[in-house]
Amino acid sequence: SQQGEEDPQALSIQEGENATMNCSYKTSINNLQWYRQNSGRGLVHLILIRSNEREKHSGRLRVTLDTSKKSSSLLITASRAADTASYFCATGRSTLTFGKGTMLLVSP
Amino acid sequence: SAVISQKPSRDICQRGTSLTIQCQVDSQVTMMFWYRQQPGQSLTLIATANQGSEATYESGFVIDKFPISRPNLTFSTLTVSNLSPEDSSIYLCSARTGGEETQYFGPGTRLLVL
Repeated sequence: SQQGEEDPQALSIQEGENATMNCSYKTSINNLQWYRQNSGRGLVHLILIRSNEREKHSGRLRVTLDTSKKSSSLLITASRAADTASYFCATGRSTLTFGKGTMLLVSP
Repeated sequence: SAVISQKPSRDICQRGTSLTIQCQVDSQVTMMFWYRQQPGQSLTLIATANQGSEATYESGFVIDKFPISRPNLTFSTLTVSNLSPEDSSIYLCSARTGGEETQYFGPGTRLLVL
């Protein structure tokens, strides 16, 4: 099965700074999805990038995908305290396999 | 898109009992899934809930422990049976609509077993 691995495991920044999280996976993919989870609650879908896309934007989010390196990155620009959450990448054609996640702490 | 609700949002149960979690989607979906998230961990797929037939379980999960029903295209239940403290987790329902690649999640059910 595919396995996403995020790094860093934890990231602590100040409000206004940018946060970058990385995800690696092992096998070929159709797409890769990023999710946010606030404090052990449900997952919020952030963005989906397809295997034929290299970059995608959504508001303050920028996702890149490098299929040759089997990796993706999520950049949050001008972070806010409300961005404090765990971020997961997930891959899979029918069922999703999640990485271990990056815990982001944004301090005011 | 799909909006998913779960009941209960949390519960505290005694060991040896069972808990049934309900999942309701606001639109007809093709696929529904149940995940478990143990404390401080990532999500692990328990099973795919199939309408009108037995669920498809992942390795390490069995029907006797996690019976699942899906009577129609918008509703599913997960029962966690014979509870032990190791079952203390967040259980999440998830769904995907036909033709869409995005998978949506419910708010989760936080279970504590004493």
